[in-house]
Amino acid sequence: DSGVTQTPKHLITATGQRVTLRCSPRSGDLSVYWYQQSLDQGLQFLIQYYNGEERAKGNILERFSAQQFPDLHSELNLSSLELGDSALYFCASSAGTGSYEQYFGPGTRLTVT
Amino acid sequence: GQNIDQPTEMTATEGAIVQINCTYQTSGFNGLFWYQQHAGEAPTFLSYNVLDGLEEKGRFSSFLSRSKGYSYLLLKELQMKDSASYLCAVNTGGFKTIFGAGTRLFVKA
Repeated sequence: DSGVTQTPKHLITATGQRVTLRCSPRSGDLSVYWYQQSLDQGLQFLIQYYNGEERAKGNILERFSAQQFPDLHSELNLSSLELGDSALYFCASSAGTGSYEQYFGPGTRLTVT
Repeated sequence: GQNIDQPTEMTATEGAIVQINCTYQTSGFNGLFWYQQHAGEAPTFLSYNVLDGLEEKGRFSSFLSRSKGYSYLLLKELQMKDSASYLCAVNTGGFKTIFGAGTRLFVKA
């Protein structure tokens, strides 16, 4: 158990809908990262927050947005969902930024039908 | 651009040694991570190399050559449970870590 929690574990929804994925980092970690992993694909970095502020952006679509709240939990919002958005979404946390190892949550499996 | 290359798949025999290579071309470099990921599960940290050379941790060792943009992960005394994907990731400086596509390792009896 990494100490990072993600909810929900599974999510099935229809195209065009909007969903929110939630992540609670390890106690004391200030950085939260979001990744997308499609079937047989590598981890695609989406976005990173550090202590409530956005610090780095990867290949995140405009339909996706995220935020980190004062209690350090984070939410990833996915809207106007398409079939291609079906994937595993991982949240990771680390003590700082960059050179710190990341601890990954169990992931949320999103299926868009 | 940013590029991290790893072999897609490798097969090795239980009890043997396997070396998984990673080459990278990135705009910056602060260090290189290796993670293990079993199918459908979250990646777990294996190692982090900042300086050139070999770092050993039990059955796993990781090597880095910054001048060559090259790293490898060495797994000794392979066990069936080592069947997994191995992800190479580069901390490019600032706040970004970029992951390679991963190498799927199959360990056979």
